[in-house]
Amino acid sequence: DAKTTQPNSMESNEEEPVHLPCNHSTISGTDYIHWYRQLPSQGPEYVIHGLTSNVNNRMASLAIAEDRKSSTLILHRATLRDAAVYYCILRGLNSGGSNYKLTFGKGTLLTVNP
Amino acid sequence: GAVVSQHPSRVICKSGTSVKIECRSLDFQATTMFWYRQFPKKSLMLMATSNEGSKATYEQGVEKDKFLINHASLTLSTLTVTSAHPEDSSFYICSARDPLRGDKPNEQFFGPGTRLTVL
Repeated sequence: DAKTTQPNSMESNEEEPVHLPCNHSTISGTDYIHWYRQLPSQGPEYVIHGLTSNVNNRMASLAIAEDRKSSTLILHRATLRDAAVYYCILRGLNSGGSNYKLTFGKGTLLTVNP
Repeated sequence: GAVVSQHPSRVICKSGTSVKIECRSLDFQATTMFWYRQFPKKSLMLMATSNEGSKATYEQGVEKDKFLINHASLTLSTLTVTSAHPEDSSFYICSARDPLRGDKPNEQFFGPGTRLTVL
């Protein structure tokens, strides 16, 4: 699977926007960019995903660079409940075919200050 | 929708015993489930892919005889840690795909995790 690079940690203030970067310079044409987050002592939670175009949902926005070698997860107004580890993952097919396994990196630990 | 549960949420056992962890998709049928392990302050590591009605596919370095996976139905996969030792203490997390979900057919929905402590 293609590798992603994220900052180890970031800080934000409550109710301010947060931009979480991810570099994926070796992305292939068929790799989707996924973002998951993990709150302390919980399983990961899907946030958003995209292929080429920017995406918006109720949780966040995903901005994808034109060359697809980087992307940014945008939380429009951070809350204390957004404090989590955010994982940027490239999803491809495993050798078995259509199982779509995810390979988690270290992620970015987001701290939200009140 | 797309809720995945795990049982138990926390288990403590003695060294040498076996522990079974259940992963259930509550409101959908999951032909594929995944098992991960996460050590403190580390990322999730995929252990195996569990396919309903067939043998699991294990990642390199994961002992299939130690971590037994059974996916006997479309809503249940189990992970049995056999002859557990203190180094097996970890946070075990499962996930499942809902291939019939129109908006997210390829997304993985994660369970809340099971914390295993082996004394």
